[in-house]
Amino acid sequence: SQQGEEDPQALSIQEGENATMNCSYKTSINNLQWYRQNSGRGLVHLILIRSNEREKHSGRLRVTLDTSKKSSSLLITASRAADTASYFCATDDGGATNKLIFGTGTLLAVQP
Amino acid sequence: KAGVTQTPRYLIKTRGQQVTLSCSPISGHRSVSWYQQTPGQGLQFLFEYFSETQRNKGNFPGRFSGRQFSNSRSEMNVSTLELGDSALYLCASGYGQGEGYTFGSGTRLTVV
Repeated sequence: SQQGEEDPQALSIQEGENATMNCSYKTSINNLQWYRQNSGRGLVHLILIRSNEREKHSGRLRVTLDTSKKSSSLLITASRAADTASYFCATDDGGATNKLIFGTGTLLAVQP
Repeated sequence: KAGVTQTPRYLIKTRGQQVTLSCSPISGHRSVSWYQQTPGQGLQFLFEYFSETQRNKGNFPGRFSGRQFSNSRSEMNVSTLELGDSALYLCASGYGQGEGYTFGSGTRLTVV
C-alpha cells in the first residue's frame, strides 16, 4: 500500500498543552499537506510544506519536513478543546498528478 | 465565497443498485477529485477531473466512474453496489496545480 503512516494513532492531552503528531511516507514527494477532520465530516486544509522547505508556521501550527527520513511532524501549541479532531498528512505521488496519498490519521482529544 | 457542495449528504441503497453523487466545486476551481473513506482502508483516491478530462484514476474497479461538466461540477457513479461500497465519499476542489484542496462535507453512502 502507498498509504503513509501516522503516529500516535490516538493522543489525549489537556487544554493548553502542546500536541505533536508524526507522519511517515514512502515515495519522493513535491509537497506534504496536513488536514483536519471533525467527526466524519469533510477535511479542512491546514498547511502545505514543499519538499525544499524544512519548517513552516501558521498560527499555532508548526510543521517540519525531513525528506531524507521521509517524515513530517505537526505541532499544535497551546491546544484548545476545539482542536479535538482527526489529523491526516497527505502527500502527492512525486509526479505531475494531483492525487493525494493520505496517512492513517491521528485522533486528537483535547480535554477541557 | 461558497464552499464545496456535495449532494446528497446521506444515502441508503440496496445491493445491486446504482448511485450518483454530485459535487459543485468552488467557483474558479477546475480540478475536482473524489476520495473514499472507510474505517478499514482510510482515505483512498478515486479519480481527478480537470477541465472535463479525467487526469488520474485510483485503484478501484470499473463500477466506479465519474465525469465533469463544463461548469466544473462533477458527478461520481457507482454501479452494482456492494456492501463494501458503504463509505464516506469526499469531493475536493482546487486549481489543480499542486496546492491545498478544499473538501466538501461528503456523502455518506450506506449499502444494505
